[in-house]
Amino acid sequence: QSALTQPPSASGSPGQSVTISCTGTSSDVGGFNFVSWYQQHPGKAPKLIVYEVSKRPSGVPDRFSGSKSGNTASLTVSGLQAEDEADYYCNSYAGSNNYVVFGGGTKLTVL
Amino acid sequence: QVQLQESGPGLVKPSQTLSLTCTVSGGSISGYYWSWIRQPPGKGLEWIGYISYSGNARYNSLLRSRVTIPVDMSKNQISLRLSSVTAADTAVYYCARESQMMGKTGEFAQWGQGTLVTVSS
Repeated sequence: QSALTQPPSASGSPGQSVTISCTGTSSDVGGFNFVSWYQQHPGKAPKLIVYEVSKRPSGVPDRFSGSKSGNTASLTVSGLQAEDEADYYCNSYAGSNNYVVFGGGTKLTVL
Repeated sequence: QVQLQESGPGLVKPSQTLSLTCTVSGGSISGYYWSWIRQPPGKGLEWIGYISYSGNARYNSLLRSRVTIPVDMSKNQISLRLSSVTAADTAVYYCARESQMMGKTGEFAQWGQGTLVTVSS
């Protein structure tokens, strides 16, 4: 199973917007609308912030939004805040054989 | 609110079997798929496998020959058994629950806090 491709790092100043990409193939990201995003602070478990490409769980600020085009999904964080500094991981359903694949993670720095 | 708690030895010798338990509280195992996911120090997440409340299991093809994930409904627990471990299996191990009841989409809404397992002699 190949990991989804994410940029290793991203950054932005408070109040700005940042977009993180997640590139897969037609067998995962492009083939299903089950892409999710996780936020992970150091020493903590991942937290689901987007599921089914663009839906947010209850309690997740609407500053976090997801989208997908072809084989690439994206997470946009608007109005950056200091507490948004964390690692972000995408994953995608990959069918009954491979089930799920994760991206390698993106470290978001708030300047 | 359902809570997941991993437990087990923090140190395992090479070639031995890693055994962990995930205890679910505040809710039942029934109706959901439960996964084990690991994260080597400083690295990304890797899905290990899942088990359903009915005992249906599927494993990562790279680990399939070494992994079993049993479920104990009476104790509300899911376990992980990983045999013939090496240093490459050193990681934080998480148990996680799918976001939707009966859902099998790889979207994990509930996570345990994770437990670090080090493989070393």
